Amino acid sequence: QKEVEQDPGPLSVPEGAIVSLNCTYSNSAFQYFMWYRQYSRKGPELLMYTYSSGNKEDGRFTAQVDKSSKYISLFIRDSQPSDSATYLCAMSNAGNMLTFGGGTRLMVKP
Amino acid sequence: DAGVTQSPTHLIKTRGQQVTLRCSPKSGHDTVSWYQQALGQGPQFIFQYYEEEERQRGNFPDRFSGHQFPNYSSELNVNALLLGDSALYLCASSRDWTSGNTIYFGEGSWLTVV
Repeated sequence: QKEVEQDPGPLSVPEGAIVSLNCTYSNSAFQYFMWYRQYSRKGPELLMYTYSSGNKEDGRFTAQVDKSSKYISLFIRDSQPSDSATYLCAMSNAGNMLTFGGGTRLMVKP
Repeated sequence: DAGVTQSPTHLIKTRGQQVTLRCSPKSGHDTVSWYQQALGQGPQFIFQYYEEEERQRGNFPDRFSGHQFPNYSSELNVNALLLGDSALYLCASSRDWTSGNTIYFGEGSWLTVV
């Protein structure tokens, strides 16, 4: 079993929809949680960074962390075709060594 | 402000050869990490360098080695290439190697082993 599980998708939604992306993890030592967006054949781009449990909002993006359930989410409001990409969750406990999920491919259709 | 830069962008090598990939961290960052991302998968941590020393290492064989220079730039070397080494190699930088620092990635180097 992988330390971080993420549904690979693809997830297809119409433009304007609210998107929910999720990851579960098994290592209770993880304290730092990140979401990266990766366009095809490009490097990951940091979207959201959260420490411990709670919510964080940045524009159309909201990140939620529930450490008791070992579950993190990323919500995208008013999704746009330009949001079409692979979304990677990542987490770490110490030393900035990231453990990634496998990524969820999102397609937003006009 | 330049972000993380990597070179080369693409390269093709033959099985058994050796390859060197290069990375310059984001301005103000002194810690460099390397990740391997196979097609359709998430990145996997290879190792991390801080103050020219390897600080952490993932589950990769000794064929994978690295170096950090005094200007914080870094190299990843892979010896005796296998077909399975074909992947996107990502360099990431952060302000230091302790917890809680945001980590930025470069665009990666695509390695194809034939």
